[in-house]
Amino acid sequence: ETGVTQSPTHLIKTRGQQVTLRCSSQSGHNTVSWYQQALGQGPQFIFQYYREEENGRGNFPPRFSGLQFPNYSSELNVNALELDDSALYLCASSLETVAYEQYFGPGTRLTVT
Amino acid sequence: AQSVAQPEDQVNVAEGNPLTVKCTYSVSGNPYLFWYVQYPNRGLQFLLKYITGDNLVKGSYGFEAEFNKSQTSFHLKKPSALVSDSALYFCAVRDSPSSASKIIFGSGTRLSIRP
Repeated sequence: ETGVTQSPTHLIKTRGQQVTLRCSSQSGHNTVSWYQQALGQGPQFIFQYYREEENGRGNFPPRFSGLQFPNYSSELNVNALELDDSALYLCASSLETVAYEQYFGPGTRLTVT
Repeated sequence: AQSVAQPEDQVNVAEGNPLTVKCTYSVSGNPYLFWYVQYPNRGLQFLLKYITGDNLVKGSYGFEAEFNKSQTSFHLKKPSALVSDSALYFCAVRDSPSSASKIIFGSGTRLSIRP
């Protein structure tokens, strides 16, 4: 196990609702990245947070937003949910000075109906 | 723009035989290459990386990968497959060592090892 935890494990929401997913980084890691993994596909980079600031973003609309807290835990917020948002959401933590390796959490499975 | 291709959706191998999972990449600069494995209902686990140096990289669980710059490939290999190696494997690339650079994943290859 990597020491990265995510909550909740599973979540079912209705189209148009808002959702918040949470991630607790591995101890000592100050960088968190979020990924969306649709069924049958590889993870796609959403954004990264470093020391509480967004530090890179993929091709996702502004309704995907995030936060990183002083203890380096993080939240992913998605507003106005769409059916295509149904996916496994993964967070990964890393240490800035050893940027080659990311440690992934088990993911949150979001289903939008 | 950087990209990764995993040409095989599924690879089937008998236990004890060697296995290869293919990956090709495209980046504008020096590639930083990774292999991850994903078991059912689990997050991705890091297997190995190529940053620089020896073209043959050794990783976890007896896996290794060979970096070939001329063919822009980074195939994952193991001399003798185990049934427990059955999982989903992802190749990934970033074009900078900086943690700020995004990592691009391939679409994945499902490895099935039959007893």
